Amino acid sequence: GAGVSQTPSNKVTEKGKYVELRCDPISGHTALYWYRQSLGQGPEFLIYFQGTGAADDSGLPNDRFFAVRPEGSVSTLKIQRTERGDSAVYLCASSLTPGGASNEQYFGPGTRLTVT
Amino acid sequence: AQKITQTQPGMFVQEKEAVTLDCTYDTSDQSYGLFWYKQPSSGEMIFLIYQGSYDEQNATEGRYSLNFQKARKSANLVISASQLGDSAMYFCAIGRDTDKLIFGTGTRLQVFP
Repeated sequence: GAGVSQTPSNKVTEKGKYVELRCDPISGHTALYWYRQSLGQGPEFLIYFQGTGAADDSGLPNDRFFAVRPEGSVSTLKIQRTERGDSAVYLCASSLTPGGASNEQYFGPGTRLTVT
Repeated sequence: AQKITQTQPGMFVQEKEAVTLDCTYDTSDQSYGLFWYKQPSSGEMIFLIYQGSYDEQNATEGRYSLNFQKARKSANLVISASQLGDSAMYFCAIGRDTDKLIFGTGTRLQVFP
């Protein structure tokens, strides 16, 4: 596809359940980022991958959150024991090469997660 | 640590007029980039314009220009000839080499006929 894709577009889950959110970056983009956007706020950084490895996971709020990118392309954000406070839009972005200073990030449409 | 401040929660502008959206930043880095993104009600983040910290000229992209004042640590977005389709949330962000973007809280722009 031409852009970053994310599935599902919407996910409703019960408190305590496990969820997986998928991101398919633009082909050839080596850097992949996950952000979380709460209502009325700007996106907040969660984790960044360069290739297969997590280069910076300092934004993950706690150990219930985990992300992988096993083949350096598709990434999955995994949330265990979901809580109502996890409800937000989860955005994925990719860039051609890493470098916040010179390479714009292209965002996907997001996954809206609602924990009931 | 880096920080972005957008002090205008909402702005109104009449169609065909120009509007300036304010953004100030704080960073201790020498090399960084400043970005503006547009987020329509549909939710996608659309990249608009980029300014590097070492760029001496203000960036321009069509109707968008970035008024970069390094000494004041400001990176205001100027939209000329506003259109109804410009109504959206606008986010300013800062990034440095091999790093994530730090976003502000955004400004909601409404363009009226």
